[in-house]
Amino acid sequence: NAGVTQTPKFQVLKTGQSMTLQCAQDMNHNSMYWYRQDPGMGLRLIYYSASEGTTDKGEVPNGYNVSRLNKREFSLRLESAAPSQTSVYFCASSRRSLGYGYTFGSGTRLTVV
Amino acid sequence: TQLLEQSPQFLSIQEGENLTVYCNSSSVFSSLQWYRQEPGEGPVLLVTVVTGGEVKKLKRLTFQFGDARKDSSLHITAAQPGDTGLYLCADGSGNTGKLIFGQGTTLQVKP
Repeated sequence: NAGVTQTPKFQVLKTGQSMTLQCAQDMNHNSMYWYRQDPGMGLRLIYYSASEGTTDKGEVPNGYNVSRLNKREFSLRLESAAPSQTSVYFCASSRRSLGYGYTFGSGTRLTVV
Repeated sequence: TQLLEQSPQFLSIQEGENLTVYCNSSSVFSSLQWYRQEPGEGPVLLVTVVTGGEVKKLKRLTFQFGDARKDSSLHITAAQPGDTGLYLCADGSGNTGKLIFGQGTTLQVKP
């Protein structure tokens, strides 16, 4: 089973460029999430989608947009990348019930220069 | 806003030693989860605890949930180099399944 697949694994952008991070899950999970992980800051929620057709802001949504394309796919877009968005980005999914943990992808390491 | 504090932040020990890491919350946990993250990978769920006073064991790992459901601990017996990684606690929130994460404990086990 693939679980949660993220692409790309690594990316370098110039300030002002745009890009989309892709995420797909094959576990028929209802909920999907985007987190960023920075040293000393832990995992911070950017956006989430509780179910297909819905998206909501998390803790740090500024500078990002998301699309829940279907039940399997949840993408994260940076419209105009800034150095402050240099981070490791993780996509996760869950069955949307307490007691069910997240399944994470292996991450995208993004550097904005 | 709920805050999860983990301690210690860093721990470096020799193979075979025992250790305990802690997770404390500013409010009552809904559903506490522990994850382990290895370098270059995403976190992997170890266990979920819900009931106050609950104890769960996973091989050499023992997870305990405080009676008041505001604290939890992870004890590792006879640590091995394969236990090296970042240990994260997280609490579930509402019916969206959103998790709030602590900052983590980085564990290094030297051979």
